Amino acid sequence: RKEVEQDPGPFNVPEGATVAFNCTYSNSASQSFFWYRQDCRKEPKLLMSVYSSGNEDGRFTAQLNRASQYISLLIRDSKLSDSATYLCVVNKEGGGADGLTFGKGTHLIIQP
Amino acid sequence: EPEVTQTPSHQVTQMGQEVILRCVPISNHLYFYWYRQILGQKVEFLVSFYNNEISEKSEIFDDQFSVERPDGSNFTLKIRSTKLEDSAMYFCASSYNRDSNQPQHFGDGTRLSIL
Repeated sequence: RKEVEQDPGPFNVPEGATVAFNCTYSNSASQSFFWYRQDCRKEPKLLMSVYSSGNEDGRFTAQLNRASQYISLLIRDSKLSDSATYLCVVNKEGGGADGLTFGKGTHLIIQP
Repeated sequence: EPEVTQTPSHQVTQMGQEVILRCVPISNHLYFYWYRQILGQKVEFLVSFYNNEISEKSEIFDDQFSVERPDGSNFTLKIRSTKLEDSAMYFCASSYNRDSNQPQHFGDGTRLSIL
């Protein structure tokens, strides 16, 4: 079973629309969760951490369901600049100095 | 905003040669990491480093690989006897402390091409 699984897409979405991505993880001992974005041939950049109670940062909302081992990201009022690959990332065992486990990413294309 | 810097941006090396990839982590960060991403695949963890020793390493990080912090600012990844399959983007990352919610910040990577 894959450790972090995401729908690879691509998601083709018109500008201004709302789009949602999902992610599942296999290690129930995982303690911290993140969404990173990666532009083509660039480094992963932190978009937001994901907290148990859910959290929002501007147009972005992240949710975590520990029981189902499921993470989501919602993007409202999408912009052309949101076009990227969105990486679901999990800390394997909790605690710093642990390597992060990445999903393969969901590719998002915002169309004008 | 402080950032992780990596050099070189692109390294081309003959198969069998040794290569050293360099990173300068964010200055007040204490934990350092190397990851790689083969073209079209996911980012994979290689190794983490704290207090001048390896904290954790993946199955990928075998005897071919080594890491070092030769001075107070640089963090290096050495790959010996390079193989064609070592061709990938190599990302360095750093984080501030052991808090599990402290995110890791990535450098812009070194593209390694083995010929």
